[in-house]
Amino acid sequence: QVQLVQSGAEMKKPGASVKVSCKASGYTFTDYYIHWVRQAPGQALEWMGWINPNSGTTNFAQKFQGRVTMTRDTSISTAYMELTNLRSDDTAVYFCASGRVCTGGNCYSARYFELWGRGSLITVSS
Amino acid sequence: EIVMTQSPATLSVSPGERATLSCRASQTVGSNLAWYQQKPGQTPRLLIFGASTRATGVPARFSGSGSGTEYTLTISSLQSEDFAIYYCQQYNNWPPWTFGQGTKVEI
Repeated sequence: QVQLVQSGAEMKKPGASVKVSCKASGYTFTDYYIHWVRQAPGQALEWMGWINPNSGTTNFAQKFQGRVTMTRDTSISTAYMELTNLRSDDTAVYFCASGRVCTGGNCYSARYFELWGRGSLITVSS
Repeated sequence: EIVMTQSPATLSVSPGERATLSCRASQTVGSNLAWYQQKPGQTPRLLIFGASTRATGVPARFSGSGSGTEYTLTISSLQSEDFAIYYCQQYNNWPPWTFGQGTKVEI
């Protein structure tokens, strides 16, 4: 079954760090980028960055530069997103999404997202 | 950064009626525009990419159109399962990919 399985909800204090995992299954993990998108309560989707699981290359939205790290472990088909120096406005559901899109039985790399994880709620509160 | 502006913020529609949602980009995105549907507590679902191509399994009542900076998602005859929030996303200029703030379609 093609899916992305994320780690569970966490509660963190301001200034702490959080590391969210995203395990891919049912397809070749290294073939497609993994993106991270977050959604604060009642708010819109916000793209954070991507990692190329094959090379480990990353690219982040400027807003998160210096606070976010994206890594991967190809041996277990898992991507990670670590956010440091957490603030209350980092409270959100963090989604991973794959750049893998399949149409008519053919799959390809895309810059829009068909396959999503179910999200990890990160709550930042003192 | 390209800013995506969706209108209206909320659209009240009766089942069976037509719904028209708009998305405007602050600069051209060259039809590199996707639409997603999100229901409460669920992940976003890809509906449309390339401004007008339906994703796999998306009913034909969903259609996308537009070019340049102006895009539209049309739901021809609303079903009960279509009441949700809809987001547009540009993927022409990055980083960052950017989403609109969403349009809530309610009964």
